[in-house]
Amino acid sequence: GAVVSQHPSWVICKSGTSVKIECRSLDFQATTMFWYRQFPKQSLMLMATSNEGSKATYEQGVEKDKFLINHASLTLSTLTVTSAHPEDSSFYICSARGPGGPGQGIYEQYFGPGTRLTVT
Amino acid sequence: QKEVEQNSGPLSVPEGAIASLNCTYSDRVSQSFFWYRQYSGKSPELIMSIYSNGDKEDGRFTAQLNKASQYVSLLIRDSQPSDSATYLCAVKDSGYSTLTFGKGTMLLVSP
Repeated sequence: GAVVSQHPSWVICKSGTSVKIECRSLDFQATTMFWYRQFPKQSLMLMATSNEGSKATYEQGVEKDKFLINHASLTLSTLTVTSAHPEDSSFYICSARGPGGPGQGIYEQYFGPGTRLTVT
Repeated sequence: QKEVEQNSGPLSVPEGAIASLNCTYSDRVSQSFFWYRQYSGKSPELIMSIYSNGDKEDGRFTAQLNKASQYVSLLIRDSQPSDSATYLCAVKDSGYSTLTFGKGTMLLVSP
């Protein structure tokens, strides 16, 4: 399968600071990237979808001014959590999908390893 | 609203047995179906995709799809303790829409 990397794998920051998380597709061009958040023992929650070169589409209830997403190239998307607060502490996971059609390997959605954010 | 339903479990099976995980979905136009495995504290890993009715086998895993019944399942043969994880069913309609995930079924395989 396709490989998606994420950096950093974990980060601890002070309340009020901003944190940037990078997501890269290593062996395919990701026309679409997704950002999810997952709290302990809960299901994945889609935060936003981004297409390369376009503004991200945010899910209802997700503050776009707080969670800044940039998908500047076909292999890189970034999520910046601005003015982070303890309630933003969570597991952030990116996912990437290529331009292929159904049944083609890069049509499926592959996940990065996730970033565990702790805001103190 | 699109819904994907899974039994939360846990589903407990002994080592070597067949584990059967089930999923139903509400949107009749769904065309693509996926099973992800998620270990505790880790991100989901794609293990199977299926697009047409019938069975699709990959090693110890078999995905089964019945669009008329809006039902998709995952069978794991010769279950191993390392298969213990949460299995997420995901469904997508046509084109480049987003995945709709179920809440996952926890599988516990006892040695």
